[in-house]
Amino acid sequence: KAGVTQTPRYLIKTRGQQVTLSCSPISGHRSVSWYQQTPGQGLQFLFEYFSETQRNKGNFPGRFSGRQFSNSRSEMNVSTLELGDSALYLCASSEMADYGYTFGSGTRLTVV
Amino acid sequence: GENVEQHPSTLSVQEGDSAVIKCTYSDSASNYFPWYKQELGKRPQLIIDIRSNVGEKKDQRIAVTLNKTAKHFSLHITETQPEDSAVYFCAASKTGTASKLTFGTGTRLQVTL
Repeated sequence: KAGVTQTPRYLIKTRGQQVTLSCSPISGHRSVSWYQQTPGQGLQFLFEYFSETQRNKGNFPGRFSGRQFSNSRSEMNVSTLELGDSALYLCASSEMADYGYTFGSGTRLTVV
Repeated sequence: GENVEQHPSTLSVQEGDSAVIKCTYSDSASNYFPWYKQELGKRPQLIIDIRSNVGEKKDQRIAVTLNKTAKHFSLHITETQPEDSAVYFCAASKTGTASKLTFGTGTRLQVTL
């Protein structure tokens, strides 16, 4: 089985722009969650989607949003980028939606 | 919300020795505790997990123990090898929100020859 695929791997954006990141879960996995990883804050939960519905949300501002499509692929959008949004954004998927999350390799976003 | 503390932040052991990493959690409702290993520049990989209905789980050289009363859980690696060198993260979550993992701050394990 192919793993969790995230695109693009690297991205450089300017402050104020918006960005969309993509995640393709492992085939058969219906739960997709997103995390932000930074040296200062560590790994922080953004949100989770299951069957196209957002089930859980972390403590991030409304500039961070996401969605999930009927094929379980998910996208994450960040609007009005700030320098502090520079981070590794990780997507994880699970078949059972209650444990065993497998992470993708992430998208490294740099905001300049 | 849940808070997970992880110690130590760095750990250096000689090859063949054991390594122990400890985590404490604050929410008594948490019932799922995975451990992830992240090598430099790579994705976090799930190495072992435990649910609160068991006290210990073992997988070859890796074991995890859970003390629900004290709200702490530990990762034990025996016979360490250089390829065990990585950052290890503990996490906690509860049923219904298991996707919402709260992570510890990580332990950088260095296995020296």
